[in-house]
Amino acid sequence: ETGVTQSPTHLIKTRGQQVTLRCSSQSGHNTVSWYQQALGQGPQFIFQYYREEENGRGNFPPRFSGLQFPNYSSELNVNALELDDSALYLCASSLGFGAGTEAFFGQGTRLTVV
Amino acid sequence: SQQGEEDPQALSIQEGENATMNCSYKTSINNLQWYRQNSGRGLVHLILIRSNEREKHSGRLRVTLDTSKKSSSLLITASRAADTASYFCATDAGDYKLSFGAGTTVTVRA
Repeated sequence: ETGVTQSPTHLIKTRGQQVTLRCSSQSGHNTVSWYQQALGQGPQFIFQYYREEENGRGNFPPRFSGLQFPNYSSELNVNALELDDSALYLCASSLGFGAGTEAFFGQGTRLTVV
Repeated sequence: SQQGEEDPQALSIQEGENATMNCSYKTSINNLQWYRQNSGRGLVHLILIRSNEREKHSGRLRVTLDTSKKSSSLLITASRAADTASYFCATDAGDYKLSFGAGTTVTVRA
């Protein structure tokens, strides 16, 4: 157990809907990163939040957005869901970021878009 | 796009045998990390090797890094059924993200 919890564990949504995924970071960690993992692929970086500010973003459209709260928990929001958004969404928390920082991953949220 | 590419895509071995998987990457890195994932759930950090290191050990794991060839290998010795999982290499270029390969699926047969 890494101390990083994600909710819900599974979710089914209809194309065009909106979804919010939640991540509670490990105690003391101020940085949360989100990754999308399609079936049979490795995780792809979506974005990172450091002290409530977006710190970096991968190649994902603006309908993927996020928030980080004062307690460093985080949300990932996806609007106008598409079938290709079906994936495992992973969050990782860390103390800071940069070279060699160890990230601790949650168990993920499995999103299915139908 | 994936920064790292693992080879082979899948590996099936007998319990007690060694498992070797390779990772190639494209750009300069600060360090390279290996992760394990069981049944499509969370990632577990296994080992980190820095760009100025050539080999690192952790229990039954041995990792090598060749920055001139932009490649790394992960060796699991004396495999067990519990080692059945997907293994990913992830490169850290010193910025804010990890770039993962597509993974190697390892099946250890009893």
